[in-house]
Amino acid sequence: ETGVTQSPTHLIKTRGQQVTLRCSSQSGHNTVSWYQQALGQGPQFIFQYYREEENGRGNFPPRFSGLQFPNYSSELNVNALELDDSALYLCASSSPGPLYNEQFFGPGTRLTVL
Amino acid sequence: DQQVKQNSPSLSVQEGRISILNCDYTNSMFDYFLWYKKYPAEGPTFLISISSIKDKNEDGRFTVFLNKSAKHLSLHIVPSQPGDSAVYFCAASYALAQFYFGTGTSLTVIP
Repeated sequence: ETGVTQSPTHLIKTRGQQVTLRCSSQSGHNTVSWYQQALGQGPQFIFQYYREEENGRGNFPPRFSGLQFPNYSSELNVNALELDDSALYLCASSSPGPLYNEQFFGPGTRLTVL
Repeated sequence: DQQVKQNSPSLSVQEGRISILNCDYTNSMFDYFLWYKKYPAEGPTFLISISSIKDKNEDGRFTVFLNKSAKHLSLHIVPSQPGDSAVYFCAASYALAQFYFGTGTSLTVIP
């Protein structure tokens, strides 16, 4: 069973640029959630995708957008990058059922905005 | 607004003793609570959860206690082992919607 993978591992961008982060969900999982974890903070929910539709969104501006593909992999896109967007971005996959709340996290993508 | 709070950034415990990690929340609508463990350079790993209809859930060395009236939950690890050294996050959700995480407690188990 393949776990959750994310790419790239690290990324450096400059203010105003756009970035795309990618996530492959665990086999059999059809729900993907994205989180932003700033230094010294806990993960903050950005949004969730279920069967290719957005299924909930946290308190993030519209320049944070996402996609989920038919194979349930997902992308997080951030436009007009700001310095405060520097953080670890975590992707988590899960599947409805008795263990629905057991989200499986990937290792994250470390984004640095200069 | 931080709806889930972990007020102890760090905790050190001797091997074999009990580790108690605490978490407070403000939203009385939360109905599901989870603990995650995170090692450096890895994503958080699910540890144990509890529904709001229960006040205790055990899984091996790990027990989570929920006090709804106090809006408080705690994770007990006994006996603590050096491999338990990690950052522990508590999280809460409402109606299986978004998850709110605390800021984490770094546990060090001293051999």
